[in-house]
Amino acid sequence: DAKTTQPNSMESNEEEPVHLPCNHSTISGTDYIHWYRQLPSQGPEYVIHGLTSNVNNRMASLAIAEDRKSSTLILHRATLRDAAVYYCITSGTYKYIFGTGTRLKVLA
Amino acid sequence: GAVVSQHPSWVICKSGTSVKIECRSLDFQATTMFWYRQFPKQSLMLMATSNEGSKATYEQGVEKDKFLINHASLTLSTLTVTSAHPEDSSFYICSATRTSGILYEQYFGPGTRLTVT
Repeated sequence: DAKTTQPNSMESNEEEPVHLPCNHSTISGTDYIHWYRQLPSQGPEYVIHGLTSNVNNRMASLAIAEDRKSSTLILHRATLRDAAVYYCITSGTYKYIFGTGTRLKVLA
Repeated sequence: GAVVSQHPSWVICKSGTSVKIECRSLDFQATTMFWYRQFPKQSLMLMATSNEGSKATYEQGVEKDKFLINHASLTLSTLTVTSAHPEDSSFYICSATRTSGILYEQYFGPGTRLTVT
């Protein structure tokens, strides 16, 4: 079974920030938190990853709760190209188990 | 860097025939690759772990004699769907792993759409 829980779907207006939550209450101390997104008929695309501290890259920011039992992916200004299914995965090994993900709809 | 390719991107075959899908890591070596299957509107389901130079490890419920996996080199893994049937029609995705200390990163291929008629 997947070790993460995400809302099935979310909507955002274009040019506005989006906060995508993920619960991973059974995360182990050495498990990384990975975020990927998948556009229709494509393979998952890496977005960001983190361990304990918040992380920023050109695509997004990752805010990790102090107890590490949850995290939030932040898209600072959503565009229509950000419409995708976003997956949060926790893993301390090479094996990833995908949950159901969050389908993000961006409204023009 | 860290590009993974798959070939073919789509394939149509007749029921009862076999189909081979290739997965290549283009700019890095991957001792471990993974094969996933994805049905419409569903998440990725891990099928098997492919290790270079050894037998693949299959997830529970995946028939190893139907889905043959070969990891011939550090940059190539193949998945052969034997005696394909319409229910095998799906989107097959591979990934290749690169490690950095305790961090395991997976890089995914673009997927192969298999349609069995």
